[in-house]
Amino acid sequence: NAGVTQTPKFRILKIGQSMTLQCTQDMNHNYMYWYRQDPGMGLKLIYYSVGAGITDKGEVPNGYNVSRSTTEDFPLRLELAAPSQTSVYFCASSYRVLARSSYNEQFFGPGTRLTVL
Amino acid sequence: GENVEQHPSTLSVQEGDSAVIKCTYSDSASNYFPWYKQELGKRPQLIIDIRSNVGEKKDQRIAVTLNKTAKHFSLHITETQPEDSAVYFCAACSNDYKLSFGAGTTVTVRA
Repeated sequence: NAGVTQTPKFRILKIGQSMTLQCTQDMNHNYMYWYRQDPGMGLKLIYYSVGAGITDKGEVPNGYNVSRSTTEDFPLRLELAAPSQTSVYFCASSYRVLARSSYNEQFFGPGTRLTVL
Repeated sequence: GENVEQHPSTLSVQEGDSAVIKCTYSDSASNYFPWYKQELGKRPQLIIDIRSNVGEKKDQRIAVTLNKTAKHFSLHITETQPEDSAVYFCAACSNDYKLSFGAGTTVTVRA
């Protein structure tokens, strides 16, 4: 298993450009997440998905969009890049059954370091 | 939403000593509390977690304690080693699938 993979590893964007951060997992996890990590800060949830075709906003969704057409893929789209979106982006996935007492580890991808100039 | 505070932000310890990191949370409904370790330039990785029906959990040199009444939980690392140097994040799960993270503690183990 490759686990959670992300591309690209690094990217520099100009203000106003758009791009898609790719995330794929091969563990058949139903839950997937996008976080951003700013220097000296914890991880902030951008969007998450509980299964194919279902997505929802997290704590900091403005300026981003997501889709989940398959179980494996969860791309994150930046439409009009702004300097405030300079950050490290982590995708994560986990598996849970539909029971309130069920909690499972979130596995993280290697991250994408994005700079907007 | 859930608010997690983590202290201290930096911690320097002598090799062999213990390290303690403390977190508080705001949502009394939170019932899952994982701890992640992130080495420089790498992804966060789970090192230990605790559920609300348990007060303490140990795994070799690391342990986590939970006080639900006071809404705080702590990570304890004993006999610290240089490879323990990293950033540690606590988190709380206030519903079934969303984690709220603390701001992190940078631990440096001095040889």
